[in-house]
Amino acid sequence: ELKVEQNPLFLSMQEGKNYTIYCNYSTTSDRLYWYRQDPGKSLESLFVLLSNGAVKQEGRLMASLDTKARLSTLHITAAVHDLSATYFCAAPPRGSNYKLTFGKGTLLTVNP
Amino acid sequence: DGGITQSPKYLFRKEGQNVTLSCEQNLNHDAMYWYRQDPGQGLRLIYYSQIVNDFQKGDIAEGYSVSREKKESFPLTVTSAQKNPTAFYLCASSIGGNSYNEQFFGPGTRLTVL
Repeated sequence: ELKVEQNPLFLSMQEGKNYTIYCNYSTTSDRLYWYRQDPGKSLESLFVLLSNGAVKQEGRLMASLDTKARLSTLHITAAVHDLSATYFCAAPPRGSNYKLTFGKGTLLTVNP
Repeated sequence: DGGITQSPKYLFRKEGQNVTLSCEQNLNHDAMYWYRQDPGQGLRLIYYSQIVNDFQKGDIAEGYSVSREKKESFPLTVTSAQKNPTAFYLCASSIGGNSYNEQFFGPGTRLTVL
């Protein structure tokens, strides 16, 4: 059974600082998704990582995937308040194109 | 505009009642999904459908039922057999098939049992 673990679960950081959220998964998977959720809202797709070594960047966020280490990272550069949200990673078990297992999420708070 | 709609936004249920949550998409997606989210938790898959007239149980299907009679619609019924139904319910859809199958989410329905 695929398990997805994120850490940290809570992250409070100052504006302008850098930090990384880690997403580990327990069994082989060939894709990794990152989502953002604002309080009381739905999930917004951020990144789809499709292969080992994949790196994607959008603004102050950069995501990477290492399938051999079963690890994805979401790096935040020079954080701003608007990035405050909960970030989820999710992966499908190998061979499944439909079932996603989500991590518990990382609640990011960026303070002025 | 293409998208996913869910209704109602808020739903209150008395003990022992069945309730049905609506999910509609006009993205022409083949696959649709229902997730449950509890406070401080990730999403857990209830049911999914790869194509019309077909659906499979997810990780927490007990106490729930679905139908997929139309491509655009995937309603979820929360039955009285679901012991703790208070949660935030999210519907999603994706292209399906052999694509990378990115899932897109609706705005959600918050269900509270009184």
